[in-house]
Amino acid sequence: AQSVTQLDSHVSVSEGTPVLLRCNYSSSYSPSLFWYVQHPNKGLQLLLKYTSAATLVKGINGFEAEFKKSETSFHLTKPSAHMSDAAEYFCVVSPGGATNKLIFGTGTLLAVQP
Amino acid sequence: DTGVSQNPRHKITKRGQNVTFRCDPISEHNRLYWYRQTLGQGPEFLTYFQNEAQLEKSRLLSDRFSAERPKGSFSTLEIQRTEQGDSAMYLCASTPQGNYGYTFGSGTRLTVV
Repeated sequence: AQSVTQLDSHVSVSEGTPVLLRCNYSSSYSPSLFWYVQHPNKGLQLLLKYTSAATLVKGINGFEAEFKKSETSFHLTKPSAHMSDAAEYFCVVSPGGATNKLIFGTGTLLAVQP
Repeated sequence: DTGVSQNPRHKITKRGQNVTFRCDPISEHNRLYWYRQTLGQGPEFLTYFQNEAQLEKSRLLSDRFSAERPKGSFSTLEIQRTEQGDSAMYLCASTPQGNYGYTFGSGTRLTVV
């Protein structure tokens, strides 16, 4: 079975400093991986996705993630945090197949301090 | 279309009552999904439709839950005889076929008292 583990439930950074949100995945074959962001009272928004093309994936709002098969990791990074980045972030894997359903991690709440 | 629309945004109900939620997907998306998100957890898959056909249901979807998508347009999720454990955010999403481009709605937050 496929799953993802988000290693930190809360991360706090200062505005202008780098962001690192960690995610490890478990999959018996090459997975499709995603990062979603959820702002309060708003729908989930796709930040980026990896589907076995380039291992370094660039997303919206300056975020990027690197797929590392040897480490089974898909960590999300951003060079410089902005106050508007404060939100909950979900690492997601899809087992593929006809359903295309998504399996979410438990989330990482990012706080950005002024 | 401005996105996936869910109504109501909030619902408070007494234990044992029935509730129904509605989801209006993006019109050209033929796939529609329901997820449930409880406090402190990520969303969990409940069920999915391709057009009007319900093609997969999670074990989370007990017999008190029923979902429909008549004519392959909007969808409803009904919970009968609600229990406190049903309190959660219910999320709807739609995608074009064969595409991972999910668009999520803002959800319906259910509180069972």
